[in-house]
Amino acid sequence: KNEVEQSPQNLTAQEGEFITINCSYSVGISALHWLQQHPGGGIVSLFMLSSGKKKHGRLIATINIQEKHSSLHITASHPRDSAVYICAVSTSNTDKLIFGTGTRLQVFP
Amino acid sequence: NAGVTQTPKFQVLKTGQSMTLQCAQDMNHEYMSWYRQDPGMGLRLIHYSVGAGITDQGEVPNGYNVSRSTTEDFPLRLLSAAPSQTSVYFCASSREWVGSPLHFGNGTRLTVT
Repeated sequence: KNEVEQSPQNLTAQEGEFITINCSYSVGISALHWLQQHPGGGIVSLFMLSSGKKKHGRLIATINIQEKHSSLHITASHPRDSAVYICAVSTSNTDKLIFGTGTRLQVFP
Repeated sequence: NAGVTQTPKFQVLKTGQSMTLQCAQDMNHEYMSWYRQDPGMGLRLIHYSVGAGITDQGEVPNGYNVSRSTTEDFPLRLLSAAPSQTSVYFCASSREWVGSPLHFGNGTRLTVT
């Protein structure tokens, strides 16, 4: 079993829909990152969080440390949100990052 | 502000050839790292550096060398390329090892035939 699991692996949505991507982890962490990778390949950091909730525009990230779970929400989704979303955790014992395999999101007009 | 610059964007090598993937950042970040991304797998750490003159191995270091002579540059060397090294490579930097956002280069797609 991978130490960082994301669900779903693939997600399609109509423009305007509310999107939720989930990340569960099995290790102790010091921080969790959400990253976005566009079809061109570049990776952009969306959020880094260790507790609670963060919001940036239409994106919201939450984390529940006790349940070892984080969610990334996209409100009013748009075709430009189509990308692969990657969850990564900094483990508390090594501080190294462990990456999930990503969730591929396609938003259709 | 250029951020993290990786070159080349694409490269094809024959088995046994050597090459260097370049990575430079202009944000004065101490922490730099190299990852490889393979289909169906999460990014995996190859080598990392916590400052000029200091490097260490990650999860998959075999077949790769690094050096960090300046804060800005962190090149990755493939000494004798193998088909198993066909992958997409990303360089990343951050202000702190833990607790600060990651900044990634645009990646290098390497094919070894």
